Amino acid sequence: DAMVIQNPRYQVTQFGKPVTLSCSQTLNHNVMYWYQQKSSQAPKLLFHYYDKDFNNEADTPDNFQSRRPNTSFCFLDIRSPGLGDAAMYLCATSRDSNQPQHFGDGTRLSIL
Amino acid sequence: EDQVTQSPEALRLQEGESSSLNCSYTVSGLRGLFWYRQDPGKGPEFLFTLYSAGEEKEKERLKATLTKKESFLHITAPKPEDSATYLCAVQAGDNFNKFYFGSGTKLNVKP
Repeated sequence: DAMVIQNPRYQVTQFGKPVTLSCSQTLNHNVMYWYQQKSSQAPKLLFHYYDKDFNNEADTPDNFQSRRPNTSFCFLDIRSPGLGDAAMYLCATSRDSNQPQHFGDGTRLSIL
Repeated sequence: EDQVTQSPEALRLQEGESSSLNCSYTVSGLRGLFWYRQDPGKGPEFLFTLYSAGEEKEKERLKATLTKKESFLHITAPKPEDSATYLCAVQAGDNFNKFYFGSGTKLNVKP
């Protein structure tokens, strides 16, 4: 009965090779978020969608893009991954902006 | 500058030894404070939401409280299964568009 599903759980890519991470939800929530979490650090918000409205954090690198083709799915595209982009990427959803977020179990991205 | 700070970074307790975790924040326009539990290799799991100073929420051995500057997560008579990293997060801004996590307190409860 997983509600926020992230695929794959582990992703290995080469330096500079584009990669896409996916997230799906069965909660029908309006808001979807992408976070980057490095070891022993706080999750850092990259961007979020309120329905189809995209909200980018000011310090999110241009290398990171996102797509939300429908309510259920959201994708994180990293156009040219660098070694510093190795991290856990967490997707979360919430019913509305001030409601608790429900997280998936993340995708751990490694860069060779 | 908006900031969320959690202390201590790590806490070791004996089973049954009660304690408190702290989350202090400096943000303008607080909209909500959230506590999450994160197990290794997993995403954060929601515990509590607090919206205004003086509010308290309780669940099993956990109790969260909120003042205008900080929140506490009290753990009463912890068990080994309470071992995890506890994260607090603050939402702020006129458009609810600012969301900051603290770096967490790693709790280890020994039997």
